[in-house]
Amino acid sequence: GDSVTQMEGPVTLSEEAFLTINCTYTATGYPSLFWYVQYPGEGLQLLLKATKADDKGSNKGFEATYRKETTSFHLEKGSVQVSDSAVYFCALTPLHITQGGSEKLVFGKGTKLTVNP
Amino acid sequence: SAVISQKPSRDICQRGTSLTIQCQVDSQVTMMFWYRQQPGQSLTLIATANQGSEATYESGFVIDKFPISRPNLTFSTLTVSNMSPEDSSIYLCSVGAGRYQPQHFGDGTRLSIL
Repeated sequence: GDSVTQMEGPVTLSEEAFLTINCTYTATGYPSLFWYVQYPGEGLQLLLKATKADDKGSNKGFEATYRKETTSFHLEKGSVQVSDSAVYFCALTPLHITQGGSEKLVFGKGTKLTVNP
Repeated sequence: SAVISQKPSRDICQRGTSLTIQCQVDSQVTMMFWYRQQPGQSLTLIATANQGSEATYESGFVIDKFPISRPNLTFSTLTVSNMSPEDSSIYLCSVGAGRYQPQHFGDGTRLSIL
């Protein structure tokens, strides 16, 4: 079935460090891919999205590129801030060509990021 | 994007009781979803709720335990029935804007069962 695999956390960085959180997926057809962020004590917020191969999603300095050849959607940021400390979830909505697609979100396990001053 | 309000934001309940969580959206939406996030875990879809039809439950979730109502295009409720400590989780509702579009989430209901 459809699944998302994220790098294990937690990840601890110093302010202004470079961030990469790896995400790979397994899906039939052409899923849409998302990164969500959950700040402490809050719900999920959409961070960025990509709906087709080679699309690059970007927001708040974060970027991720939809790589169909490697089935990956790695999250990157060039210089993290303390305020980026949160849990990051990679997710997909499956699209099965023969079944017409689905809006169900499939989440990875989440990666907790802590940025120290 | 839609503004989603969930009530209550948190609650502490006794074993064996039931709690109904409300989800209100500021615009009409076709699809609403209910997720569970157990402590330190990822999100798992409980069910999809469309207005005017029965909710569709995911494997491992049943209507008797998690009855859902969807009376109109802006509102839904999830009831957690006959609660046990294993039901202690964050319950989140989300709304979908259509295929290929992201879902947007409420702030969640943090539920603890003693």
